Amino acid sequence: KNEVEQSPQNLTAQEGEFITINCSYSVGISALHWLQQHPGGGIVSLFMLSSGKKKHGRLIATINIQEKHSSLHITASHPRDSAVYICAVPFSSNTGKLIFGQGTTLQVKP
Amino acid sequence: ETGVTQSPTHLIKTRGQQVTLRCSSQSGHNTVSWYQQALGQGPQFIFQYYREEENGRGNFPPRFSGLQFPNYSSELNVNALELDDSALYLCASSYRGDYGYTFGSGTRLTVV
Repeated sequence: KNEVEQSPQNLTAQEGEFITINCSYSVGISALHWLQQHPGGGIVSLFMLSSGKKKHGRLIATINIQEKHSSLHITASHPRDSAVYICAVPFSSNTGKLIFGQGTTLQVKP
Repeated sequence: ETGVTQSPTHLIKTRGQQVTLRCSSQSGHNTVSWYQQALGQGPQFIFQYYREEENGRGNFPPRFSGLQFPNYSSELNVNALELDDSALYLCASSYRGDYGYTFGSGTRLTVV
């Protein structure tokens, strides 16, 4: 069992749909990152959250620390949202070691 | 506020050669972490440098080594390159390795 698991692994949506990506983790401290990676590109940090909910534009991230579960929601999805979305959890404080999920590949069709 | 810059963006090397990849940290950050991302896989932690010393290492052989400079920029050196070293190498800077990471765009290394 992976320490950080995401679902689904692949997701195809029509433009305008509401999208949810889930992340469950069994290790790490009380914080989680949601990251975005475009094909061939580097990683962009979307959110870092340790409790509750954060919102940025059409993106919403929630976390339940007790259940070690987080979700990333995209409202009114757009083709430019097509990317790989990755959740990552620090293995422990001050080591810099992030444990990454396997990623969710999202394709939004016009 | 500057981001994290990695150089070069792409690199092709021959098996057995040595390579040096570079990373500048974001202003105000003193910690740099390096990750290897093979095609189709998630990033794997290589090591972290905090205030010029290695502070945490993943499951990578000693031919992967690094440096951090007084301005907190960093280098990743790989000796005796193998074909399996072909990957995207990412660096991320943070303050003390806590939470707020900024990632670079990566260096795509191809070993032939």
